[in-house]
Amino acid sequence: DAGVIQSPRHEVTEMGQEVTLRCKPISGHNSLFWYRQTMMRGLELLIYFNNNVPIDDSGMPEDRFSAKMPNASFSTLKIQPSEPRDSAVYFCASSPQGATNEKLFFGSGTQLSVL
Amino acid sequence: RKEVEQDPGPFNVPEGATVAFNCTYSNSASQSFFWYRQDCRKEPKLLMSVYSSGNEDGRFTAQLNRASQYISLLIRDSKLSDSATYLCVVNTGTYKYIFGTGTRLKVLA
Repeated sequence: DAGVIQSPRHEVTEMGQEVTLRCKPISGHNSLFWYRQTMMRGLELLIYFNNNVPIDDSGMPEDRFSAKMPNASFSTLKIQPSEPRDSAVYFCASSPQGATNEKLFFGSGTQLSVL
Repeated sequence: RKEVEQDPGPFNVPEGATVAFNCTYSNSASQSFFWYRQDCRKEPKLLMSVYSSGNEDGRFTAQLNRASQYISLLIRDSKLSDSATYLCVVNTGTYKYIFGTGTRLKVLA
């Protein structure tokens, strides 16, 4: 199994530019999570999808952030326009069912730097 | 108050030592508990789940105290390879996994 695949691994962009992060969950998993990690705040849930449907997007910081899951094998997180305070590591994770006692499988993350 | 709180450390211990971390959580309705390990510049990976009666996996022992709302992780006979950040994770219902900011461990030769 290839695990959760994220791209790109690193993204450096200038303030105001659009950024798109990509994620391929583990095949057969029906729950997908986008997290953001910073030193100060740790891992924060941005959005949760179940069976490709956004269930909870209350963690999305503001309207500049949007996420989609057009099918079971692909999700994107878009920031437009990007700002320096968006600099962080963005992780995608998947789990089989979204139950309370499941293991989360994380991708390698995207290190985003907005200059 | 944060939902999940951990001492950030770092805990610097010599090889072979025993070290313990605690984590407190605020939501008394929390349903499941975990310890994840995160190496520098890597993704978090599940170390172990924490069960009500406590559980052990080799050198690692996890315990849950619901009355006081904390969980603990004990590492015996520390190895250099145990150096990492340990994340306490609490599930408050279905998809709501709340992560602590982590405790950093450095095992010294």
